[in-house]
Amino acid sequence: QKEVEQNSGPLSVPEGAIASLNCTYSDRVSQSFFWYRQYSGKSPELIMSIYSNGDKEDGRFTAQLNKASQYVSLLIRDSQPSDSATYLCAVNEDSNYQLIWGAGTKLIIKP
Amino acid sequence: KAGVTQTPRYLIKTRGQQVTLSCSPISGHRSVSWYQQTPGQGLQFLFEYFSETQRNKGNFPGRFSGRQFSNSRSEMNVSTLELGDSALYLCASSNPGLVNYEQYFGPGTRLTVT
Repeated sequence: QKEVEQNSGPLSVPEGAIASLNCTYSDRVSQSFFWYRQYSGKSPELIMSIYSNGDKEDGRFTAQLNKASQYVSLLIRDSQPSDSATYLCAVNEDSNYQLIWGAGTKLIIKP
Repeated sequence: KAGVTQTPRYLIKTRGQQVTLSCSPISGHRSVSWYQQTPGQGLQFLFEYFSETQRNKGNFPGRFSGRQFSNSRSEMNVSTLELGDSALYLCASSNPGLVNYEQYFGPGTRLTVT
């Protein structure tokens, strides 16, 4: 059973601090990794994708991938109250036509 | 480029009825995936269609079915509705020609079964 695990939270972070979200996955052949943000009552929105080991930065967001440790993380710098949402990690292996989803981490940014 | 659209946005049905939900993918996207999302269960994969063919199916009863048309639009049907089918139903489109397999979600259809 392929699994993606995330701490459900809530993770509470002060405004302006760095929020760190973590995700582990069970399938070593996974090749594509995604972070989605979902506001309450809304649909998930893709915010970052990463395919190679190392860091990928996009504005205040940095995704980090370590395939040897089967670990992917998302850092949000200068956290804002508008970052308060549930963050979903998803993993894909090309031989399977679906993404495997974590249950999500609820992030709360406190002003 | 227009995003993924889903109709209807809200639906109220009674137990035993059936329902059909529609999804129009991003132009050029040929893969459509359907998900059920409930507060306690997170995102649950229903099925994925590509070029009118179902390529993968999640662990849902046969009451849940879908299809895809030649223009990549997709529908899902739920027959004999149960109270537990109340959920947000999401579709996501992607372009499998790319390695990354990014999925883009529609706004969802919120189904309430009474």
